[in-house]
Amino acid sequence: DSGVTQTPKHLITATGQRVTLRCSPRSGDLSVYWYQQSLDQGLQFLIQYYNGEERAKGNILERFSAQQFPDLHSELNLSSLELGDSALYFCASSSSHWTLPSNYGYTFGSGTRLTVV
Amino acid sequence: QKEVEQDPGPLSVPEGAIVSLNCTYSNSAFQYFMWYRQYSRKGPELLMYTYSSGNKEDGRFTAQVDKSSKYISLFIRDSQPSDSATYLCAMSVNAGGTSYGKLTFGQGTILTVHP
Repeated sequence: DSGVTQTPKHLITATGQRVTLRCSPRSGDLSVYWYQQSLDQGLQFLIQYYNGEERAKGNILERFSAQQFPDLHSELNLSSLELGDSALYFCASSSSHWTLPSNYGYTFGSGTRLTVV
Repeated sequence: QKEVEQDPGPLSVPEGAIVSLNCTYSNSAFQYFMWYRQYSRKGPELLMYTYSSGNKEDGRFTAQVDKSSKYISLFIRDSQPSDSATYLCAMSVNAGGTSYGKLTFGQGTILTVHP
């Protein structure tokens, strides 16, 4: 168990629908990152939150949005889903600064596999 | 052209072989270099990390960074079937937290070590 919890593990939904993916970061981590992993694009950065505030945006579609709540959990909302949105969605968390071996880089969750049919 | 290029393989080697995995990159601002291992249906897990240029060794694993050539490598000695996984290189300009800690990943190399 990495300490980063993602729910649900699997999601099957129809085109045009909206889904919410949830992430609880590792205890003490203030940064949450969302990534999309597909076969053709690999792991692509979507968005970062730090202590409730949006810090950076990557290749995130306008149909997608995210937020981080006061308890630091984060949600990624995907709407008007298309077949091409089928992918693994990973949440990762990190500490305030990568100064020690124990907090270097990210810790990833196990992902949510989204299938749009 | 992608910022980080990694040969996706697949790479198949016999047990005990030395494995060499490589990535090249174009962004000279990258300072933090990492290798992640991802087993099937799991999230990536951090394997090795290096700040700036140089070598780092951890057991059977050695990571090398050559910033002048924009080239990083991961060597696995005495490879084991349990090493079979996808290996992803990752790079960052900043060290996370309040600064912009985005990781840019390579495509990943699928490695199979057969007994």
